Amino acid sequence: GENVEQHPSTLSVQEGDSAVIKCTYSDSASNYFPWYKQELGKRPQLIIDIRSNVGEKKDQRIAVTLNKTAKHFSLHITETQPEDSAVYFCAASMRGAQKLVFGQGTRLTINP
Amino acid sequence: GAGVSQTPSNKVTEKGKYVELRCDPISGHTALYWYRQSLGQGPEFLIYFQGTGAADDSGLPNDRFFAVRPEGSVSTLKIQRTERGDSAVYLCASSGTSGNNEQFFGPGTRLTVL
Repeated sequence: GENVEQHPSTLSVQEGDSAVIKCTYSDSASNYFPWYKQELGKRPQLIIDIRSNVGEKKDQRIAVTLNKTAKHFSLHITETQPEDSAVYFCAASMRGAQKLVFGQGTRLTINP
Repeated sequence: GAGVSQTPSNKVTEKGKYVELRCDPISGHTALYWYRQSLGQGPEFLIYFQGTGAADDSGLPNDRFFAVRPEGSVSTLKIQRTERGDSAVYLCASSGTSGNNEQFFGPGTRLTVL
């Protein structure tokens, strides 16, 4: 089955700097890659997603890139703010299968 | 409109007891998912419903776990003979139609088995 690896497990950046979180997946049949943000004690919330027919997607300060050949995708957050501090999860879903397979999460801390 | 809701928010039970966890998906969402999240880890898939039927139950860890969705809306996750290792946050999500659509998560039920 699908396996998703996420790095780093923790990331600390200065406010205003950029943060990058990387994920790799194992199954080339995967075609949907969402990113979720989870604050302490709260539900995961989708922040951006990408499908396998595009290589990059951007939404204001957040962007995701996908390399299908290498089977990896990355989350980029620019001009980080304290409210970006949270745990971020990447996930992958295979064509025809609806379940999401999640990475282990990255705890992002923005230092003022 | 209202998001996904789950009840109870917290459940403490004793080893060996039976528990039921409820999920109310977003109105009109045909797909419903259950995940389990242990401390410091990503959500782990348990089961997926399309309408009333379980389309994929490959994530259920053993036969103590069972889920139903009799009318294609509310779902109940049932755990028999609970064990301490069942302690986790149980998350429910729903999405609009079949295909890779956004899954909206509920707040979860924190289950503690003493």
